[in-house]
Amino acid sequence: GAVVSQHPSWVICKSGTSVKIECRSLDFQATTMFWYRQFPKQSLMLMATSNEGSKATYEQGVEKDKFLINHASLTLSTLTVTSAHPEDSSFYICSAREESGARNEKLFFGSGTQLSVL
Amino acid sequence: DQQVKQNSPSLSVQEGRISILNCDYTNSMFDYFLWYKKYPAEGPTFLISISSIKDKNEDGRFTVFLNKSAKHLSLHIVPSQPGDSAVYFCAAALTGTASKLTFGTGTRLQVTL
Repeated sequence: GAVVSQHPSWVICKSGTSVKIECRSLDFQATTMFWYRQFPKQSLMLMATSNEGSKATYEQGVEKDKFLINHASLTLSTLTVTSAHPEDSSFYICSAREESGARNEKLFFGSGTQLSVL
Repeated sequence: DQQVKQNSPSLSVQEGRISILNCDYTNSMFDYFLWYKKYPAEGPTFLISISSIKDKNEDGRFTVFLNKSAKHLSLHIVPSQPGDSAVYFCAAALTGTASKLTFGTGTRLQVTL
């Protein structure tokens, strides 16, 4: 199957710093990528939909100025957590949609990034 | 508000037996349901799906059953194998929203020898 690479897999940072997470589709082009967040013992929650060449669409309650998304190419989307605070500590995971497939089956996930803010 | 619920955080099944993972949802507008499997340190991978116009979909050892009136779906794995040990996520999609999925919290399946 198609591969989505997410980097880094884990990061520890000081409060107030910014952290960038990359999501790459390695062998297919993805005009649409999705960013999810998962807190312990909770489900994956969609944060935003990243569209190549246009602004991301954020879900209700997600601060767009805090979680900056850039989808500058058909194979790369980045999520930057700005001025991170301990409450931003979470598991972040991206998925990319392969355009040629049937509904929903062609979503491929990265391996996730565990962010810990001290 | 948890719209997709997996009430069993873990399940242990003996090899060769049937594994049944359950999922309940509250939003009647969901019309497409998926199961994903996740190994440690890897992202979820698609396993099987079902449209609301069906009540059963089968793929090899995996069968998904949908009971719309009860807003309940289940994943059956038979026979269970040790390699099936993973976390299984149920997900649902609304009409017209192709890839925006609402996930359950997952069920960790352990298949023992």
